[in-house]
Amino acid sequence: DGGITQSPKYLFRKEGQNVTLSCEQNLNHDAMYWYRQDPGQGLRLIYYSQIVNDFQKGDIAEGYSVSREKKESFPLTVTSAQKNPTAFYLCASSIGGITDTQYFGPGTRLTVL
Amino acid sequence: GQNIDQPTEMTATEGAIVQINCTYQTSGFNGLFWYQQHAGEAPTFLSYNVLDGLEEKGRFSSFLSRSKGYSYLLLKELQMKDSASYLCAALYGGATNKLIFGTGTLLAVQP
Repeated sequence: DGGITQSPKYLFRKEGQNVTLSCEQNLNHDAMYWYRQDPGQGLRLIYYSQIVNDFQKGDIAEGYSVSREKKESFPLTVTSAQKNPTAFYLCASSIGGITDTQYFGPGTRLTVL
Repeated sequence: GQNIDQPTEMTATEGAIVQINCTYQTSGFNGLFWYQQHAGEAPTFLSYNVLDGLEEKGRFSSFLSRSKGYSYLLLKELQMKDSASYLCAALYGGATNKLIFGTGTLLAVQP
């Protein structure tokens, strides 16, 4: 079955620790995205990557970092510089760029204690 | 700005029809997506409208009026499993393409 996987589903970390969220897709999509979802707000774009070894900042990239070493994988690191990291994080992919339909993974709920 | 507006919450009865509206800024607009999201789960793609008019997909239909900056999602023969958030997202072009999401409409279907 083709799809997008994110792990883990729930993640707890202490304040001041960096944490990396996993996102893998086997849809052979070129583009991948990371969003953050908070109550009462729309999805906000953190980073996106249109091809391997290239990525661009989204609207709220501060305190986050990404890498795209393989087409299938787009991990997101939430660093200690992120002021309010507790949120639901969603990874998505699309066959081409932002103009194509994005398909989402199941999400990771990160809680920083 | 590129504000997307949709109602926060709606309630409807099982078997009925409900219309969820979405308005957006028209400058630079290219197309309109609708997604369904159950609590704590991934958004799933429902529809994408580029041209004016109504597109029907089974119980769900989506309408777009580009000149009015208006779209709606129509859900017919409501089922309990349709209780979810419905996200409207507008695609904008120009120097860089951008997808802007609304805050979502939480639909509660009651027996």
